[in-house]
Amino acid sequence: NAGVTQTPKFRVLKTGQSMTLLCAQDMNHEYMYWYRQDPGMGLRLIHYSVGEGTTAKGEVPDGYNVSRLKKQNFLLGLESAAPSQTSVYFCASSPIHLAGYNEQFFGPGTRLTVL
Amino acid sequence: GENVEQHPSTLSVQEGDSAVIKCTYSDSASNYFPWYKQELGKRPQLIIDIRSNVGEKKDQRIAVTLNKTAKHFSLHITETQPEDSAVYFCAATYTGFQKLVFGTGTRLLVSP
Repeated sequence: NAGVTQTPKFRVLKTGQSMTLLCAQDMNHEYMYWYRQDPGMGLRLIHYSVGEGTTAKGEVPDGYNVSRLKKQNFLLGLESAAPSQTSVYFCASSPIHLAGYNEQFFGPGTRLTVL
Repeated sequence: GENVEQHPSTLSVQEGDSAVIKCTYSDSASNYFPWYKQELGKRPQLIIDIRSNVGEKKDQRIAVTLNKTAKHFSLHITETQPEDSAVYFCAATYTGFQKLVFGTGTRLLVSP
């Protein structure tokens, strides 16, 4: 199993450009997440999904949109990139646990620079 | 609100010493507390977790303790080695257990 994969690994954008980050998991997990990681600020949740066709806002959703059309894929879109969105983006997935033990598995990350 | 505080932000120890990282959480309903290790340029990796029905859990040189009354939990690493050098994140479940809130991380440096 590949686990959680992310595409692309690196990307440089100019202000105002758009792009989509792709996250894929082959573990049949219900839950998927997008985080951004900035120096000194840990992992901040952007959006998440608890199942195919459903999404919800996290802590820092502004400037991002997401879609979960297939269970195994979770897309993160930037419609008009800004320098403040320069960051490392991590995707994660977790299975449903009846008792709520939310064990998350992370992808390798995407390093995005917006000039 | 949803909050996890983590201390210290940096920790330097000599090889063979012990290291302790502490976290506090705000939601008394939280029931799952994982710890992740992130090496430079890599993804966060789960190293140990503890559930709310347990007070302590050990796995070789690492252990985690949980005090539900005080709403804090700690990571203990004994006999530290240079390869333990990394950033460590604590987390706690929130919102119907559908998501985790992470602490801001502790950079651990183990000197030979």
